Parts: sequence; structure tokens; C-alpha cells
Amino acid sequence: TQLLEQSPQFLSIQEGENLTVYCNSSSVFSSLQWYRQEPGEGPVLLVTVVTGGEVKKLKRLTFQFGDARKDSSLHITAAQPGDTGLYLCAGRRKTSYDKVIFGPGTSLSVIP
Amino acid sequence: GAGVSQSPSNKVTEKGKDVELRCDPISGHTALYWYRQSLGQGLEFLIYFQGNSAPDKSGLPSDRFSAERTGGSVSTLTIQRTQQEDSAVYLCASSPGEYYGYTFGSGTRLTVV
Repeated sequence: TQLLEQSPQFLSIQEGENLTVYCNSSSVFSSLQWYRQEPGEGPVLLVTVVTGGEVKKLKRLTFQFGDARKDSSLHITAAQPGDTGLYLCAGRRKTSYDKVIFGPGTSLSVIP
Repeated sequence: GAGVSQSPSNKVTEKGKDVELRCDPISGHTALYWYRQSLGQGLEFLIYFQGNSAPDKSGLPSDRFSAERTGGSVSTLTIQRTQQEDSAVYLCASSPGEYYGYTFGSGTRLTVV
């Protein structure tokens, strides 16, 4: 059972379209991160959201943390081929230490 | 160094052989993590180091897997008597502490034949 669910699992869109991917859990997180991974590389941190309801923008990417800190969304405006990659959300929970749990990812392909 | 360095980048080994994977974190990063990623899958947590100690080894799949970190820097992940199901990309990440985002290396692609 995945602690973090991501949807959709796969997404293929045309350049210029908008899209939203989702990260959901039944658990509360102290913060949530989004990473992008390109083939043959490790994930790269895009953003960290900490406060419930927080919205952060990174150029054409908009990240939102749910009010209850259980879910998050990533919206991309006017997608470009360079946005292609695996988008991973990662939630931070306090156990014996501040543990980060990764979701399974959304694989995005932007077609020119 | 400027980033997290992992070696080798690719490793092909015969079933039953032992392998060692190396991770050189960013200088000064006290936290180090190992993850495993199978084809098309998300990241599976293996082990977390804070300094030279490992507060969380809960993700190691079996006693064939072990890891150590020396001098608060370089870490080695060892897999003994490799099996075909060990084939995956092994990713290492480091951070300045447990409350920060991670910087990942490019991974070691392990293929057991």
C-alpha cells in the first residue's frame, strides 16, 4: 500500500497545453516536496511547501499544498518538451527522525 | 565536490557475486540516503545515515545488503550474493540535515545476469 498516491501515472500531451498532476495521502505531512527526474539522472528538487494552503510558483509551474497538509498539486501552464520527465512528490513525516517518503511518480511526455 | 558523485555509473555482475556501490556526497552534508529505483518505479528507501551512524536501516531488503559511511563522508552500499531481483538503479542523496531537500547523484545502474 502506497502511503503517497500520484495521479495520473502517465500523461502525454501536446506542447502548449496545460496540465495538473496530483499527490494524495491519508496522512498529514509536515512538508511536501516535488522533484523532477529525467532519464539517466537522479531526481532534482523543484520546490518545498510547508504551510497548509500554500501556493508557490516557479515560472510556468504552480505548486499547491492542501489545507490539511495531506495532498498537493502541480500545475504546468503551456507545457514545453523540456518539461518531459518523471514528477515525484515526497512527503516529510516525523518518526524517530524527519523521514521523507516518495510517491510512485507521474511520467509526463510533452510532444512538440 | 559540486554535486553527489556515484560510482560506478553502470555495473553488470553475475548472479552470486558481491558488488560495492560508492557514494561521495556534497562536502559538509551530514545526512546521506540510499534509494533503489526499479524500471518505471518510484524510489524505494534503503537506509539513512546521519554522520557515520545509521538511525534508519529499515529499508534494506535482506541481510545480503549492508552499508557503511566513514568519516562522515563517503558511503558504500554492499550487496552480497547478488540475485536477479537486485537489478535496479541505486540512487544516493545527501542533504545538510534531515530538514532539508535532497541532492541526488545520477545513480548506479546494476544489472545482475
